[in-house]
Order: sequence, then structure tokens, then C-alpha cells
Amino acid sequence: EAQVTQNPRYLITVTGKKLTVTCSQNMNHEYMSWYRQDPGLGLRQIYYSMNVEVTDKGDVPEGYKVSRKEKRNFPLILESPSPNQTSLYFCASSLLTGLAGGPYEQYFGPGTRLTVT
Amino acid sequence: RKEVEQDPGPFNVPEGATVAFNCTYSNSASQSFFWYRQDCRKEPKLLMSVYSSGNEDGRFTAQLNRASQYISLLIRDSKLSDSATYLCVVNTMDSNYQLIWGAGTKLIIKP
Repeated sequence: EAQVTQNPRYLITVTGKKLTVTCSQNMNHEYMSWYRQDPGLGLRQIYYSMNVEVTDKGDVPEGYKVSRKEKRNFPLILESPSPNQTSLYFCASSLLTGLAGGPYEQYFGPGTRLTVT
Repeated sequence: RKEVEQDPGPFNVPEGATVAFNCTYSNSASQSFFWYRQDCRKEPKLLMSVYSSGNEDGRFTAQLNRASQYISLLIRDSKLSDSATYLCVVNTMDSNYQLIWGAGTKLIIKP
């Protein structure tokens, strides 16, 4: 089954304790992306990657790190989480076959609900 | 001004009615446009891509107006199951492959 998986689904942690949210896709997609979703603000892109070892900042990259060592995996790292990073996080992947080579249909993982106290 | 703007709603609509949403974008260089549907606390899923000529999929019609810089989504004969939040997405080539998402329009279909 084609899918994007994220782990963990729910996480409660304390300020400053480093954490990693994993994301994996089995569709051989070039493009992967991390979003956070907060009430009234919609989806905001944190980081995206067009292929292995290629990553770029989105709208809200501060406080986050990513890596793309393998095509299927795109982990999100919070080195020192703070309460303002409490949010719902989505990982997504897609082919780069849209108009002018841009990302096409985004396939999303089920989301990770993070609470930082 | 936000790059992509949507009326947040909620739109309360009786079952069977026709409802239309607009989404405006600020960057005239925008190239790709999409509508996604998101159910409460679930991941977004692609509803339609929006092409220059407009496109239709059953009860759903999407249109692009480049001159006025907006995309629209029309839902005919609305069903209870259409209740969701509808998100528009724009890919502006100025930002390479960054996708800009609207905050979403909430639709509630009432029996």
C-alpha cells in the first residue's frame, strides 16, 4: 500500500528535550515536505526537499532541522523544543511532475500531535 | 497581505444547495493551483488540480482566473459528506518548489 508514515502520532515532551519525528514514504517520491498546522493559520511549510541531500527552508524553519540522507526518509528534528512549537505536524511527499517541474499531488502522513510543556 | 487568502467561513449550507469558494493569490507568477479537502483532525487530501481551462469532476468544478488572481471551487448538489475544510494551494515558481497554503474555508452541510 502506497503511504506516508509518521512516528510518533502523539508526543508530549518538556522544553529543551531534543526530539525527532520520523517520516517515511514508499512511493519513490522526489519531493518531501514538513508542515505545521495551527488553528486559524492553516498549513505552514517548515522545510522541503526536492531530492536526496537537497533541502530548503519553508515559511517557518526556525527551531527545526531536517535531513534527507535517503530518498524515502525525511526526519524532522527539534533540537530544543519550546512551547510555541506545540502544534499538529504533517509530513508529505509528491512527485516533481507538476507544471514546470513543480510538486504535484501531495500525499500526507496521518500527522503528529506535539505538545511541549 | 497574505500570499494566499480564503474566506474562513464557516459556510452553513443546506443539503442539495450549490456552494462556491474563492481563493485569491498575490503572486502573479504563480504556476500551479490545487484544492485539497481536510476532515477534522485528519490529513489533507487532494480534491482537484486547477487548470487554466477549468476542470470538472462530477459535482465539483474548479476554475482559474489569472487576470484577477483567484481560483474558485464550485460544489453542486451538496451532500452531508461534503462537510470539511477546503484548502487552496499555490506553487509560485519565484519560490522554486515551495507551496503556499491558504488557511482553509470550513463548509458545514446541514440536512
